[in-house]
Amino acid sequence: DAKTTQPPSMDCAEGRAANLPCNHSTISGNEYVYWYRQIHSQGPQYIIHGLKNNETNEMASLIITEDRKSSTLILPHATLRDTAVYYCIVRVPNRASNYKLTFGKGTLLTVNP
Amino acid sequence: DGGITQSPKYLFRKEGQNVTLSCEQNLNHDAMYWYRQDPGQGLRLIYYSQIVNDFQKGDIAEGYSVSREKKESFPLTVTSAQKNPTAFYLCASKTNTEAFFGQGTRLTVV
Repeated sequence: DAKTTQPPSMDCAEGRAANLPCNHSTISGNEYVYWYRQIHSQGPQYIIHGLKNNETNEMASLIITEDRKSSTLILPHATLRDTAVYYCIVRVPNRASNYKLTFGKGTLLTVNP
Repeated sequence: DGGITQSPKYLFRKEGQNVTLSCEQNLNHDAMYWYRQDPGQGLRLIYYSQIVNDFQKGDIAEGYSVSREKKESFPLTVTSAQKNPTAFYLCASKTNTEAFFGQGTRLTVV
């Protein structure tokens, strides 16, 4: 699986958009970008994933650059409850060799009042 | 409701004792995982299982053991050989596209 690089921490004001970057310069053509988040002392929660088109759901938007070497998770109106560690991972779904699911250290997003 | 359940939420053990953490899922997922998380750190993979009666070591398997006798269950034993067992342990199961996590077990060894 391609390696990802994320900033260790970010701050955001409540009500503003939070933009979390992720670099994945070695991503291969069939690898998807996945985002999860972990609120303190809980299990991680799936947010969104995408291949090359921008994606949006009720939680967030995912913007993937045209060369697919980086992506940005956007929380359009951050709330205090969005304070969490956000993990970006890349992997190929539906591939048996990809069962080894690994996470990095992620980005600690702190939403301030 | 479908989901993945870890028990107990908090666990205390004396040093030198083996302890088994429970993980049960009713999502009918083949793949299951155990992770360890230390304060301020990411998730580190201990063991994973792709199918019943099969499992593989992750990145930090030393001092741990697992079994996968049933599809629904993937218990983790923290043995006395694990040098620093105090940590937050997370279990997960996965479809082809998405991973589902339990709420974790916080193990404290005194």
